[in-house]
Amino acid sequence: ETVLTQSPGTLSLSPGERATLSCRASQSVSSNYLAWYQQKPGQAPRLLVYGASNRATGIPDRFSGSGSGTDFTLAISRLEPEDFAVYYCQQYGGSPWTFGQGTKVEIK
Amino acid sequence: QVQLQESGPGLVKPSETLSLTCTVSGGSIGSYYWNWIRQSPGQGLEWIGYVYFGGNTNYNPSLKSRVTISVDTSKKQVSLKLTSVTAADTAVYFCARWGGGWKAADYWGQGTLVTVSS
Repeated sequence: ETVLTQSPGTLSLSPGERATLSCRASQSVSSNYLAWYQQKPGQAPRLLVYGASNRATGIPDRFSGSGSGTDFTLAISRLEPEDFAVYYCQQYGGSPWTFGQGTKVEIK
Repeated sequence: QVQLQESGPGLVKPSETLSLTCTVSGGSIGSYYWNWIRQSPGQGLEWIGYVYFGGNTNYNPSLKSRVTISVDTSKKQVSLKLTSVTAADTAVYFCARWGGGWKAADYWGQGTLVTVSS
């Protein structure tokens, strides 16, 4: 099973600032099948990025994913008020699918 | 617009079977993998397993002995059964669609809370 470790656990930033979230895998993620999701309280996760670096339909270009192998990053170039949420990485290249424990982006 | 809606009992007694249904609307059920994913209160996400529209399944080894996921293409429904539940199975249960390949789980239901308690 591939364990995903996200850091930091919490990121305290102001609107307009840049956010950088990390996801490290315990083994190489097959085909870089690594996704990022955003989740707000009481809602389902929303797909932001798939295949490590591809934005999902309708996702603003301030969100960008990068990385390969075992190290992946989600960057939010300029935080908007609606971006404060919990972000999860997920690998779907091997079974079982696994998720990171999440990074909370909160307003400073 | 594709929509997924989970339904089922919100309260299940310990040792009994949890049964949920995911109804798909606004799109085809064919050629997709239909997943169940859960989230314990205040916790992270755990993948339970998926069923392909043709009936093939893949389960998380941690739950495999207790899980059955099935699909009814005529009703456009996906079902989850989890046997011998305990309080540790209390969670919000989501269904989610995956097209296979690199596109990840792109559509999710809103989730349904299931509490295991006597």
